[in-house]
Amino acid sequence: AQSVSQHNHHVILSEAASLELGCNYSYGGTVNLFWYVQYPGQHLQLLLKYFSGDPLVKGIKGFEAEFIKSKFSFNLRKPSVQWSDTAEYFCAVKGNTDKLIFGTGTRLQVFP
Amino acid sequence: DGGITQSPKYLFRKEGQNVTLSCEQNLNHDAMYWYRQDPGQGLRLIYYSQIVNDFQKGDIAEGYSVSREKKESFPLTVTSAQKNPTAFYLCASSMLGRSPDTQYFGPGTRLTVL
Repeated sequence: AQSVSQHNHHVILSEAASLELGCNYSYGGTVNLFWYVQYPGQHLQLLLKYFSGDPLVKGIKGFEAEFIKSKFSFNLRKPSVQWSDTAEYFCAVKGNTDKLIFGTGTRLQVFP
Repeated sequence: DGGITQSPKYLFRKEGQNVTLSCEQNLNHDAMYWYRQDPGQGLRLIYYSQIVNDFQKGDIAEGYSVSREKKESFPLTVTSAQKNPTAFYLCASSMLGRSPDTQYFGPGTRLTVL
């Protein structure tokens, strides 16, 4: 069965620190990969997505993610976080089924 | 203003009662989904529908029911058989046939069983 692992459950950073959130999935075929973000009190929104082509994907608000097929990974990065990046981040994968499989989420807290 | 609406935002229910959560979209999307979000567990799929009058069980369908009589509407009923219904419920929709099949989410309904 397809699954997604997010290793960091809770990350605390100071503003201007660099961010990397891990995401690994367990499916050997072609995948579509997503990062969603849920700001406090807001909708779950799409941050970025990968389906083919350049494995380095750029999203909104300065976020990027790199698809490394050999490592089954799709880690999210941002060079310098801001207080407004405080949110919960979810990695998701879609393989050969109709379903989108989500990770358990990473809660990011950024302190000024 | 296109999007997905869910109502109500907060819902309280007594044990033993059925309750229906509304989800409407005006994006002309084919597929609609219901997820349950619990702290530390991410989003888990309850039911989904890719076409009117058809739907499939997700990973945690027990104690829930859905209908898809119209393309824009996908209500979820939480029945008294659902053992632990207190949760945050999210509805999503997507346009099939596009790659990737990106899901867009509504604002959610927080259900509390008293």
